[in-house]
Amino acid sequence: DTGVSQDPRHKITKRGQNVTFRCDPISEHNRLYWYRQTLGQGPEFLTYFQNEAQLEKSRLLSDRFSAERPKGSFSTLEIQRTEQGDSAMYLCASSLPRGGYANTGELFFGEGSRLTVL
Amino acid sequence: AQSVSQHNHHVILSEAASLELGCNYSYGGTVNLFWYVQYPGQHLQLLLKYFSGDPLVKGIKGFEAEFIKSKFSFNLRKPSVQWSDTAEYFCAVTPYSGGGADGLTFGKGTHLIIQP
Repeated sequence: DTGVSQDPRHKITKRGQNVTFRCDPISEHNRLYWYRQTLGQGPEFLTYFQNEAQLEKSRLLSDRFSAERPKGSFSTLEIQRTEQGDSAMYLCASSLPRGGYANTGELFFGEGSRLTVL
Repeated sequence: AQSVSQHNHHVILSEAASLELGCNYSYGGTVNLFWYVQYPGQHLQLLLKYFSGDPLVKGIKGFEAEFIKSKFSFNLRKPSVQWSDTAEYFCAVTPYSGGGADGLTFGKGTHLIIQP
């Protein structure tokens, strides 16, 4: 499968613990996005990378959240001192560079990592 | 910043009924528009997209959507739904220019249930 892959698919943790999610984008995609989705809501933008550079972060991304993409390929999203409100599906998506007829901003999503904080 | 409003959070239809899901966006400039679908237990998949040209766009599985610029709308339609269309449907928008993050802004979604 050459799509976006995320790991782990499910994570249950106790409040106060740290968790890390990994995303492997489609290989030729230089843009990588993290979104969060809670029940009954659409995906909400968290942060975005172009190659290894983190170019934008949402106000939703508190200081407890950090994302990296050290070599411009896979990315990690770490949540420190988890809270019950962090329980959600964390989605990763990738895309080609913008511009040109074919590159219209379409994102290709992984299956997500579901976090449950007890 | 842009925003998206989907009018119906839950829709229940019988097979062969016609479908129209409403989507309105707010943004002052030119936009690209998308409908994504999420089948139970699966990841988000693109149904169709609009970025320029003919405002009536056709997607996979018989879906189509019409961009009406004056109404800031991008409603999704299908003339005859099937049980397999049961899913969550999300409308999304991104600025056309592609500057900055230009990540997609999603609506809250419409949960569609098709009864056999």
